[in-house]
Amino acid sequence: EVQLVESGGGLVQPGESLRLSCAASGFTFRGAAIHWVRQASGKGLEWLGRIRSKTHSYATAYAASVNGRFSISRDDSKDTAYLQMNSLKPEDTALYYCTRPDVEMTFDLWGRGTLVTVSS
Amino acid sequence: SYELTQPPSVSVSPGQTARITCSGDALPKQYAYWFQQKPGQAPVVVVYKDDERPSGIPERFSGSSSGTTVTLTITGAQAEDEADYYCQSADSSGTYRIFGGGTKLTVL
Repeated sequence: EVQLVESGGGLVQPGESLRLSCAASGFTFRGAAIHWVRQASGKGLEWLGRIRSKTHSYATAYAASVNGRFSISRDDSKDTAYLQMNSLKPEDTALYYCTRPDVEMTFDLWGRGTLVTVSS
Repeated sequence: SYELTQPPSVSVSPGQTARITCSGDALPKQYAYWFQQKPGQAPVVVVYKDDERPSGIPERFSGSSSGTTVTLTITGAQAEDEADYYCQSADSSGTYRIFGGGTKLTVL
């Protein structure tokens, strides 16, 4: 089955770090870019960043709102991408999705998300 | 920073045509994509590359583009189309993706 599964969410205190994982199956992970998107409760979708494939030098790009605090990496041997989140703030509380663009650059595959709560 | 602007809400009666707009300066250069999201579910693409419809998406969903505005049209909206709709595109360089603020479609 073609799918993405996010994990690693939980409750953390402000200023702490958390690493989310996005495990892929059913498609050639190493050839795909992976993007991260989040959604606070009752709010809209926010693009966070992406990592491209080895062919594109694993290039990363980040939204201004998280640049310098969040970083994306991948391990093609494990078919898994990661979102490292540092210096977390209460406003980072959200459901975090990973998604994959297809050949038409459409986000055609999404995980179910993992919930991150930042609170003291 | 670059923004995509959508109306917060649109309401139509069943069978009527719903139009949701999305405005952004880079839209003449970058494709737009439309996503439908129902409560508790991940987004689903209903239009890609401005006006293409993925397989499995009903024909009543269509997209169009004119200058800095793209439009999602639902011809003959049904109760099951009630959802949040998001446009998505990229900045002029194509590097940074962005979502519009979302439009809540009410069909009643």
